[in-house]
Amino acid sequence: AQKITQTQPGMFVQEKEAVTLDCTYDTSDPSYGLFWYKQPSSGEMIFLIYQGSYDQQNATEGRYSLNFQKARKSANLVISASQLGDSAMYFCAMREDPSGGSYIPTFGRGTSLIVHP
Amino acid sequence: ETGVTQTPRHLVMGMTNKKSLKCEQHLGHNAMYWYKQSAKKPLELMFVYNFKEQTENNSVPSRFSPECPNSSHLFLHLHTLQPEDSALYLCASSQVESSRPYEQYFGPGTRLTVT
Repeated sequence: AQKITQTQPGMFVQEKEAVTLDCTYDTSDPSYGLFWYKQPSSGEMIFLIYQGSYDQQNATEGRYSLNFQKARKSANLVISASQLGDSAMYFCAMREDPSGGSYIPTFGRGTSLIVHP
Repeated sequence: ETGVTQTPRHLVMGMTNKKSLKCEQHLGHNAMYWYKQSAKKPLELMFVYNFKEQTENNSVPSRFSPECPNSSHLFLHLHTLQPEDSALYLCASSQVESSRPYEQYFGPGTRLTVT
């Protein structure tokens, strides 16, 4: 069974508008972390935002916020005021128990976001 | 050089060749990772090195052989690969004991094509 599900293979948004990228996860571990990464066409994965399972508030990093709904096991990424440079693949990931101190995430299949001018 | 670098950026090799991928991190991190990214599949963790010791081997075939001579360098030695091994290979690093141990920094990847 997939641990991370991203149901939107592709999304389109108008420049300057907000967009939500969906992510649901599956774990029985009470302690876990959720991440979002951005992968532009150049290939490198860029860390965007992190949410711990015990964090009381939703994480925010500039224009990125994570809408964490624990009971629904969802961790949607909200990008406010989209920019053309936001066009990329976006991956949701989860880590469960750190193994030997290493944080090993499980990734979803990704959502392709295209921002239109 | 800053961040995480990978060489070569592109590699084409035959099934009988032997080649190596190189990763170098300039961030002072103590953990390094190899990932495989195939088309239409989620990113797959291959190997983890924590303080130069291999702590994870995610059921990777023996035709992939990692090497971590020090905390800044990571290699992936390739031999007798199969066409299905064609993929983008990403290296990442992180700092285990830090305020953000979960944050991994990725290199640009090596695009490998096996013919």
